[in-house]
Amino acid sequence: DSGVTQTPKHLITATGQRVTLRCSPRSGDLSVYWYQQSLDQGLQFLIQYYNGEERAKGNILERFSAQQFPDLHSELNLSSLELGDSALYFCASSVGGMNEQYFGPGTRLTVT
Amino acid sequence: KNEVEQSPQNLTAQEGEFITINCSYSVGISALHWLQQHPGGGIVSLFMLSSGKKKHGRLIATINIQEKHSSLHITASHPRDSAVYICAVRFGNEKLTFGTGTRLTIIP
Repeated sequence: DSGVTQTPKHLITATGQRVTLRCSPRSGDLSVYWYQQSLDQGLQFLIQYYNGEERAKGNILERFSAQQFPDLHSELNLSSLELGDSALYFCASSVGGMNEQYFGPGTRLTVT
Repeated sequence: KNEVEQSPQNLTAQEGEFITINCSYSVGISALHWLQQHPGGGIVSLFMLSSGKKKHGRLIATINIQEKHSSLHITASHPRDSAVYICAVRFGNEKLTFGTGTRLTIIP
């Protein structure tokens, strides 16, 4: 158990819908990262927050947004969902930006 | 372009064999991570290293900065080591770039 929690574990929704994925980092970790893992693209970095502020952005679509709240939990919002958004979404946390990252169990999103 | 390459893509071995998985990258990095992804999908961080060698149990990770290459070794492999092993590197900033992974299967 990494200490990082993600909810929900599974999510099935229809195209065009909007969903919110939630992540709680390990106690004491200030950085939260979001990653997408699809069958054809592998693991890709989406976005990083550090202590509430956006720190780095990767291949995140404009339909996707994220935020980190004062209690350090983070949410990833995915809107106007398409079939291609079906993937595993992982959250990871670390003490700072250059430290070892600890991964949550992931949220499996299926868009039908 | 910042790239990460892993080899082999797939590896099948008998229980007890010594396993080596390789990772090469294109330019200088600030750190390299080895991750293990279980069949159920969960990801575990095995090592983070920027130089030299680290060991944890039967796992050993080495990195050669000059050659831009890292290896993950598993000694006395066991069926429970069957998983996908992923190399990820940090090219200076804090964003990780991932290799495509090596699927390891250990046969009893």
